[in-house]
Amino acid sequence: GQQVMQIPQYQHVQEGEDFTTYCNSSTTLSNIQWYKQRPGGHPVFLIQLVKSGEVKKQKRLTFQFGEAKKNSSLHITATQTTDVGTYFCADKANAGGTSYGKLTFGQGTILTVHP
Amino acid sequence: NAGVTQTPKFRVLKTGQSMTLLCAQDMNHEYMYWYRQDPGMGLRLIHYSVGEGTTAKGEVPDGYNVSRLKKQNFLLGLESAAPSQTSVYFCASSYGMGGNQPQHFGDGTRLSIL
Repeated sequence: GQQVMQIPQYQHVQEGEDFTTYCNSSTTLSNIQWYKQRPGGHPVFLIQLVKSGEVKKQKRLTFQFGEAKKNSSLHITATQTTDVGTYFCADKANAGGTSYGKLTFGQGTILTVHP
Repeated sequence: NAGVTQTPKFRVLKTGQSMTLLCAQDMNHEYMYWYRQDPGMGLRLIHYSVGEGTTAKGEVPDGYNVSRLKKQNFLLGLESAAPSQTSVYFCASSYGMGGNQPQHFGDGTRLSIL
């Protein structure tokens, strides 16, 4: 089935540093969603990207979808301790396959922020 | 604003025992999902439902059964629990087809099989 590879698996930063996580696929993605899971919590939807080259911003978070729709990234500017958690990308399988209509989640990037 | 409610929150079972996890959503969503989350493996889809009375297999369905008799409820059953089923189980729902709409998750059920 379709798979997205997410890197890095772990990232430790000092508060105020920037952070980026990448989501890569060997096949063209239909769209991509990003979720955040706080420690001990549940995944919470952040954003969805659909168009090639799309860039969306939410305050200090910037989300990008690659021109070829094979990769996506989440960048956090000037991290804060409230950014701690695991960030997941999830792709929607393209039509025509048995996975149509379902999301496949990446392994996630665990972000820790040292004050 | 209940959203997606999962019961129980924690459970410890012995190998071979059976149990049912309940998921209830009050958002009138058509689509519901059961995932398991294991360290380093992200979220893996067990079963899902595209509407009342329907169920379908996901990525890791073996050892689990599901039912969706009412639109708001999605039940996950373990017929004969095995240690490999120790995990955190999340239920989710969405208004539209997965990938087109955000999925809303419950708080999870932490299940240990001894």
